[in-house]
Amino acid sequence: AQSVTQLGSHVSVSEGALVLLRCNYSSSVPPYLFWYVQYPNQGLQLLLKYTTGATLVKGINGFEAEFKKSETSFHLTKPSAHMSDAAEYFCAVIRGSSNTGKLIFGQGTTLQVKP
Amino acid sequence: NAGVTQTPKFQVLKTGQSMTLQCAQDMNHNSMYWYRQDPGMGLRLIYYSASEGTTDKGEVPNGYNVSRLNKREFSLRLESAAPSQTSVYFCASSVSKRDSPRSNQPQHFGDGTRLSIL
Repeated sequence: AQSVTQLGSHVSVSEGALVLLRCNYSSSVPPYLFWYVQYPNQGLQLLLKYTTGATLVKGINGFEAEFKKSETSFHLTKPSAHMSDAAEYFCAVIRGSSNTGKLIFGQGTTLQVKP
Repeated sequence: NAGVTQTPKFQVLKTGQSMTLQCAQDMNHNSMYWYRQDPGMGLRLIYYSASEGTTDKGEVPNGYNVSRLNKREFSLRLESAAPSQTSVYFCASSVSKRDSPRSNQPQHFGDGTRLSIL
């Protein structure tokens, strides 16, 4: 069965510092992986996705993630945090053979950015 | 460009009452989904519909029913609301292709319905 684990329910960084949000997945087939961001009182917005090809994926707002098959990881990074990055972040996986597009979400990580 | 629209945005119910959450998308997506979001649990799939006229259970379907009214609309019904169903409900849509899973597109989400059941 597919599953996603996000390490750390809360992460706090200073403005300008590196952001690292961790995501590990389990999958018996090649996974398709996503990061979504949720701002307060809003729905989820897609940050980036990995399907096939290049393992370093760039997304919106300066975020990127690297798919590491050997580590079953898809960590999200941003070199320099901005106050506007404060939000909840969700890692999700869709089974590679899925024909319905169903997503399995991690528990979420709340990012706090301190001035 | 509205995307995915959910109504209502907020609702308070009493235990045992019924209500229907509405969702509509204008992106011509074939697949639609209903999730619930609870603190520390991420989003859990309640029901989904891969195409007009079809619906299937997700992880947590008990206590809910759905209707895929047409390609645009996918409603979620609580027949007899319980306090455990207090949550934020999200509708999403995407393009998913049965014969070409690699063409599956990311899901687009509505802004949610915040439901409290007393």
